Amino acid sequence: DVKVTQSSRYLVKRTGEKVFLECVQDMDHENMFWYRQDPGLGLRLIYFSYDVKMKEKGDIPEGYSVSREKKERFSLILESASTNQTSMYLCASSFPGLAGAQETQYFGPGTRLLVL
Amino acid sequence: AQKVTQAQTEISVVEKEDVTLDCVYETRDTTYYLFWYKQPPSGELVFLIRRNSFDEQNEISGRYSWNFQKSTSSFNFTITASQVVDSAVYFCALSEVIYNFNKFYFGSGTKLNVKP
Repeated sequence: DVKVTQSSRYLVKRTGEKVFLECVQDMDHENMFWYRQDPGLGLRLIYFSYDVKMKEKGDIPEGYSVSREKKERFSLILESASTNQTSMYLCASSFPGLAGAQETQYFGPGTRLLVL
Repeated sequence: AQKVTQAQTEISVVEKEDVTLDCVYETRDTTYYLFWYKQPPSGELVFLIRRNSFDEQNEISGRYSWNFQKSTSSFNFTITASQVVDSAVYFCALSEVIYNFNKFYFGSGTKLNVKP
């Protein structure tokens, strides 16, 4: 079974703090993703990575950065947390298929971040 | 324009009722994948099913069934004889190839409440 773990289930931070969200997968997946989930908006892609040290912006990268130093670990960084970054953050990973081929994303349990 | 539309924000049923969750998608690609995920109160998105655009056969898995109709761009999900444990938020997603990467587009989710 694919296992994706996230370092914290709940986090409370103050405005302006630097926040690190960690994600680890144990299936040797090349691709890893960070999403945020907000009511009525579904999941929105923040950043993704298709290899170690590689990263690509998703749909809403502003205010975030990422780090992928090892294949199994993908970190999301909020350089200076703001209240509008209060959200549920979900990490996912997948094994890359050929273009057009199937590629299921497997998700971690999520981190609920509250920025005060 | 939204790629994936789940028009039902929230549905409430009584246990043992059948319920259908609607999903309408939009794409210009001929090759794409459709997914359903379940998000129970614990938060983790659980993969339920993946269908490719060339396979319009309906699928049944226990109490779950899926109806894929390309003519109406819909991929609906039916739960037969619903149970309290089915209570969750259900997401429909579309995967398209962007360069060599399969990008996921999620609907906004349908919250299903199954009452005893």
